[in-house]
Amino acid sequence: AQKITQTQPGMFVQEKEAVTLDCTYDTSDPSYGLFWYKQPSSGEMIFLIYQGSYDQQNATEGRYSLNFQKARKSANLVISASQLGDSAMYFCAMREGRAGNTPLVFGKGTRLSVIA
Amino acid sequence: EAGVVQSPRYKIIEKKQPVAFWCNPISGHNTLYWYLQNLGQGPELLIRYENEEAVDDSQLPKDRFSAERLKGVDSTLKIQPAELGDSAVYLCASSLGRSYYNEQFFGPGTRLTVL
Repeated sequence: AQKITQTQPGMFVQEKEAVTLDCTYDTSDPSYGLFWYKQPSSGEMIFLIYQGSYDQQNATEGRYSLNFQKARKSANLVISASQLGDSAMYFCAMREGRAGNTPLVFGKGTRLSVIA
Repeated sequence: EAGVVQSPRYKIIEKKQPVAFWCNPISGHNTLYWYLQNLGQGPELLIRYENEEAVDDSQLPKDRFSAERLKGVDSTLKIQPAELGDSAVYLCASSLGRSYYNEQFFGPGTRLTVL
């Protein structure tokens, strides 16, 4: 079974508008972490935001926020005030368990295109 | 602070040839990961090292792939012989410690093309 599902292969957003990228996950472990990474065309994976399964509040990092709905097993990324430089692939990932060195399991990604 | 360094950035070889990728993690990071990223997909783990010990290599195709991490620092991933289906991006990542929140830092990747 797929552990991370990103159902939007591609998304378009107007510059300065907000956009939500969807991510659902599947795990039976009560302890897990959810990550979002950005991958520009240059190829490097850039960490954006983290949400732990026990965190009470949704994570925020600047223009990025994570809409964490535990009961629905969703962890959607919200980018506010989109910029042209936000155009990239976005990956949702999960780490199961409490050990911080467990490998990440990634979704297939969503390609975001920001339009001027 | 320097990030994760990988070389080469690009490699083009003919099938059946050997190829090697090198990764230098962030200084002090004891955990090193090699991920494979096929076109249009997310990265998938190939192997994970804790210091010099390979602790998770179940996804590594051992008939043609090998890896090593000498002295628990740099790591090399080798393919011999390469096949057409090995064309992909090979990503190296590193992390520090075992705390609950532990970010993985990724290198720029090596894009392999097998002709």
